[in-house]
Amino acid sequence: DTGVSQDPRHKITKRGQNVTFRCDPISEHNRLYWYRQTLGQGPEFLTYFQNEAQLEKSRLLSDRFSAERPKGSFSTLEIQRTEQGDSAMYLCASSLGGRDTDTQYFGPGTRLTVL
Amino acid sequence: QKEVEQDPGPLSVPEGAIVSLNCTYSNSAFQYFMWYRQYSRKGPELLMYTYSSGNKEDGRFTAQVDKSSKYISLFIRDSQPSDSATYLCAMNRGSYIPTFGRGTSLIVHP
Repeated sequence: DTGVSQDPRHKITKRGQNVTFRCDPISEHNRLYWYRQTLGQGPEFLTYFQNEAQLEKSRLLSDRFSAERPKGSFSTLEIQRTEQGDSAMYLCASSLGGRDTDTQYFGPGTRLTVL
Repeated sequence: QKEVEQDPGPLSVPEGAIVSLNCTYSNSAFQYFMWYRQYSRKGPELLMYTYSSGNKEDGRFTAQVDKSSKYISLFIRDSQPSDSATYLCAMNRGSYIPTFGRGTSLIVHP
C-alpha cells in the first residue's frame, strides 16, 4: 500500500452515463497526476496538478473529461457521456515535488468498464 | 513509431535465473530513466531510476543506460517467483511527466 487511495476500485456503467472517480494522495504531496492504462499498454498521462492548479493536460483528455483538485487535497476525474473506448484502468499518482525525478506513488487504480 | 519501445513478452524463466529486460527509445531529449514493477490489479511501483549512462545497482536489481544507443536495461539476479509481474520502463525530458513503455510480463516459475 503506497498511501494513495482511489475510489471506487471498479465501475461498470452504460454508454452515455457520467462517472466520477476520486483520488486521495499522500497527505504532504503537492503534485497529483492522472493516467489511463489499457490492457497490455503502459500508463498514458492525462493531467497533472501542482496543489490546486491544473498545470498540464494531455491531448488525450477530450472535452468529456474534467479533473479538479479543490484545496489541493483530493482530486476527482469526471468522464461525461462515456464511450466504450473509455474502458480502461484510471491511475492516480502523487509526489512531493521539488526535483525532476521526484518519485511518483501510484494508487491501485479504478477499473472502468463501459457497456 | 512509439517514442519508447518495449517487448511485451511474456518472458518465462526458472527460479534463480538472471533476467534481462530492455527498452529502446527514439527521443534523445530523454534524460531520466525509470523502471516500475506492476503486479496484477495494482498500480506501478518505482524500482529504480537513473539519469546517466552506465550502471546502477540496488540489491538484486541493476539498471543500465546506454544513451548513445538509446537503450536501457534492467537485470534481475537470482529471480524469485515473487518477481513475477509486469515491468515498465519510463523516461522523461526533465519535466515531471514520464513516457512509459508498454511493459514486459515476467513469469518466474519454481
